[in-house]
Amino acid sequence: KNEVEQSPQNLTAQEGEFITINCSYSVGISALHWLQQHPGGGIVSLFMLSSGKKKHGRLIATINIQEKHSSLHITASHPRDSAVYICAPLAALIFGKGTTLSVSS
Amino acid sequence: EAGVAQSPRYKIIEKRQSVAFWCNPISGHATLYWYQQILGQGPKLLIQFQNNGVVDDSQLPKDRFSAERLKGVDSTLKIQPAKLEDSAVYLCASSFLATGETQYFGPGTRLLVL
Repeated sequence: KNEVEQSPQNLTAQEGEFITINCSYSVGISALHWLQQHPGGGIVSLFMLSSGKKKHGRLIATINIQEKHSSLHITASHPRDSAVYICAPLAALIFGKGTTLSVSS
Repeated sequence: EAGVAQSPRYKIIEKRQSVAFWCNPISGHATLYWYQQILGQGPKLLIQFQNNGVVDDSQLPKDRFSAERLKGVDSTLKIQPAKLEDSAVYLCASSFLATGETQYFGPGTRLLVL
């Protein structure tokens, strides 16, 4: 069983839709990273959070350390949001396989 | 602030050849990581350095992979000899102190072994 599970694996949306990507993990951690990887590009850190919720523009990340679950939300999605989103419980240095998001206009 | 630098960006080699990748972390970052990302999968940690010492290399295939960070700054990752299954993106990341802090990723080196 993978220690980090992301769902869905693939997500297709229309521009403007509200997007949710979920991450569940089995390792005990104190913080979790959400990363964005564009095709052919490097990885960009979106959030590092250890509790509650963080918001940056149209992106919102939440985490429940006790339940070992985190979610990444994108409000009013846009084609430029198309990328792979990766969840990474940091202290364990384990990464999810990523969720491939494709937003069409 | 300059980001994590990696070179080369792309490399194509034949199996059994050798290849080396270079990483320059963000200035002042003590911790450096090398990851291997095979197409369709998340990154997998190969080795973690704290300054010039190895913290974790449990997933590094030591029969063919080696890495060093002699002066605690730049690092090189070498594969000798390369196999077809080594085709992947090799990512370098750094963080200010230790595990658990925000990691900053370089652009990666895309390796194709033919």
